[in-house]
Amino acid sequence: EADIYQTPRYLVIGTGKKITLECSQTMGHDKMYWYQQDPGMELHLIHYSYGVNSTEKGDLSSESTVSRIRTEHFPLTLESARPSHTSQYLCASIAAGFYNEQFFGPGTRLTVL
Amino acid sequence: QQQVKQSPQSLIVQKGGISIINCAYENTAFDYFPWYQQFPGKGPALLIAIRPDVSEKKEGRFTISFNKSAKQFSLHIMDSQPGDSATYFCAATVTGGGNKLTFGTGTQLKVEL
Repeated sequence: EADIYQTPRYLVIGTGKKITLECSQTMGHDKMYWYQQDPGMELHLIHYSYGVNSTEKGDLSSESTVSRIRTEHFPLTLESARPSHTSQYLCASIAAGFYNEQFFGPGTRLTVL
Repeated sequence: QQQVKQSPQSLIVQKGGISIINCAYENTAFDYFPWYQQFPGKGPALLIAIRPDVSEKKEGRFTISFNKSAKQFSLHIMDSQPGDSATYFCAATVTGGGNKLTFGTGTQLKVEL
């Protein structure tokens, strides 16, 4: 089982609040990713990072921001949450090597009221 | 633009039967095709993956068939079990392009007794 952690697992907040979703991995992976997934639907890449101080936006436009100050930590922040941000957010990291397996965290299910 | 198309959206199979999920892709630069399995409340986990230089890969009850000329690949689950009930996602990536995964829309598999 991969050592990638996400907190909180569930979050219910009101509109306008600032939130940070935490993602940490202990595998020393350089590449990390954030995906957004509505229940039972496909995953959409919203942010990725190839290493410390490297962040890029993904294929799906998102109002969230990310930072990568440490290799093991890749938090996602929403400055002002809205009901349209209600979704599941999945963090992943990738090991170097031929098969390039992405390891996923358990996800954070966010509900904005 | 949906770069990886997956079908069917849902599938019900009897225990012991064969589950077949199909995917088609458009980007000929894709060179790594993983399948992920996701249980409710969990992040996706890599099930099996294939590169386009082989036409088939088998791991236990799971087999990927790959048709490069048709730009299609499929997952076969032999002797399907109730524990296989989950959502399955095909994906594709260009391994030299940051390993960003493009996911299919997912197939909800239910294996009935």
